[in-house]
Amino acid sequence: GAGVSQSPSNKVTEKGKDVELRCDPISGHTALYWYRQSLGQGLEFLIYFQGNSAPDKSGLPSDRFSAERTGGSVSTLTIQRTQQEDSAVYLCASSLASGGAGANVLTFGAGSRLTVL
Amino acid sequence: AQKVTQAQTEISVVEKEDVTLDCVYETRDTTYYLFWYKQPPSGELVFLIRRNSFDEQNEISGRYSWNFQKSTSSFNFTITASQVVDSAVYFCALSEAEQGAQKLVFGQGTRLTINP
Repeated sequence: GAGVSQSPSNKVTEKGKDVELRCDPISGHTALYWYRQSLGQGLEFLIYFQGNSAPDKSGLPSDRFSAERTGGSVSTLTIQRTQQEDSAVYLCASSLASGGAGANVLTFGAGSRLTVL
Repeated sequence: AQKVTQAQTEISVVEKEDVTLDCVYETRDTTYYLFWYKQPPSGELVFLIRRNSFDEQNEISGRYSWNFQKSTSSFNFTITASQVVDSAVYFCALSEAEQGAQKLVFGQGTRLTINP
């Protein structure tokens, strides 16, 4: 697509429920990233994918968080047994992985705002 | 380890003033990229610039300019003749340029308010 698409744009859930957040990257972008932005805070790295593999998942806060990417395209971030501290905007970005002026220039989606009650 | 520090949490100036946003970074690599992103009130991050560690030339784009100094590990951003539309949170970021995709490490951001 023309840009990075994320869904849902807003999600309100109850503590303890599981949630899935979806990211559809720009067509042809082999790298995909997930970041988290808590209210008024900076961007916290969670995980990135190169193709379908995740060379760096060091930012996932706990084993309740997982992500997968299939077909080198769409990615899903899953949070199990949500807690109130998981409330944040989850941002997805994609980029060309290597070479050229576009390498490592991340294009961000609009984010998925998660509220855990 | 990579680290980016934006010491200015908030800046407020009157329209038409010049303003400089500071960014200091830490990396053990000799090859890396530096970035600036803008996050307007709408929330979507907008890419402004990418700078390669081997290119210390300053860059100017309209009212925006960037000063990269490896000697002080700084990559500062100046807006000349600021406008209300420049109000946003600005993030500086660092990426180590190994082969393939690498994560960006962001600073905490500087909230810039331009008052009419």
